[in-house]
Amino acid sequence: DAKTTQPPSMDCAEGRAANLPCNHSTISGNEYVYWYRQIHSQGPQYIIHGLKNNETNEMASLIITEDRKSSTLILPHATLRDTAVYYCIVKKGRGSTLGRLYFGRGTQLTVWP
Amino acid sequence: EPEVTQTPSHQVTQMGQEVILRCVPISNHLYFYWYRQILGQKVEFLVSFYNNEISEKSEIFDDQFSVERPDGSNFTLKIRSTKLEDSAMYFCASSAGEQFFGPGTRLTVL
Repeated sequence: DAKTTQPPSMDCAEGRAANLPCNHSTISGNEYVYWYRQIHSQGPQYIIHGLKNNETNEMASLIITEDRKSSTLILPHATLRDTAVYYCIVKKGRGSTLGRLYFGRGTQLTVWP
Repeated sequence: EPEVTQTPSHQVTQMGQEVILRCVPISNHLYFYWYRQILGQKVEFLVSFYNNEISEKSEIFDDQFSVERPDGSNFTLKIRSTKLEDSAMYFCASSAGEQFFGPGTRLTVL
């Protein structure tokens, strides 16, 4: 699975958009970009995933560049409860048969009032 | 919304003792995983399980570890003889596509 690079920390004012970048320059054609977050020591929480196209769900939007070498997770209106470590993970395929998630250090997002 | 549950939330044990960590995956999921996170470290994959057998395991998952799906709902991780370095949060996950994680069991080995 391709390696990802994320800034170690970011902060954001409550109510503003949080834009979390991720570089995955060695991503291959069948690899998806997944985003998870971990609040304090809780279990990682799935946020969103995508292959080529931009994706949006009730939690966030995912913007993937045309060359697929980087992506941005957008939390449109950050709240204090969005303070967490955010992980960008590149994984072959979507199906569970293709195995493990590789967690890096992620980005610690701090939302301040 | 269905969720993965884990018991106990915290387990304290003496070095050399056996522990069993329990997980109830989401009911229609067929793929199950265990991960662990040592305090301050990354989340690390241990093992994946499908169709009543291990499909993948990491180098951490040595002979001291085993997994089992003893019935239609539970998925367990057994550590036969715990070591101090086994102290960590252990997360179970299940999947029918994306992996959904439980809240974790904090294992403390004294």
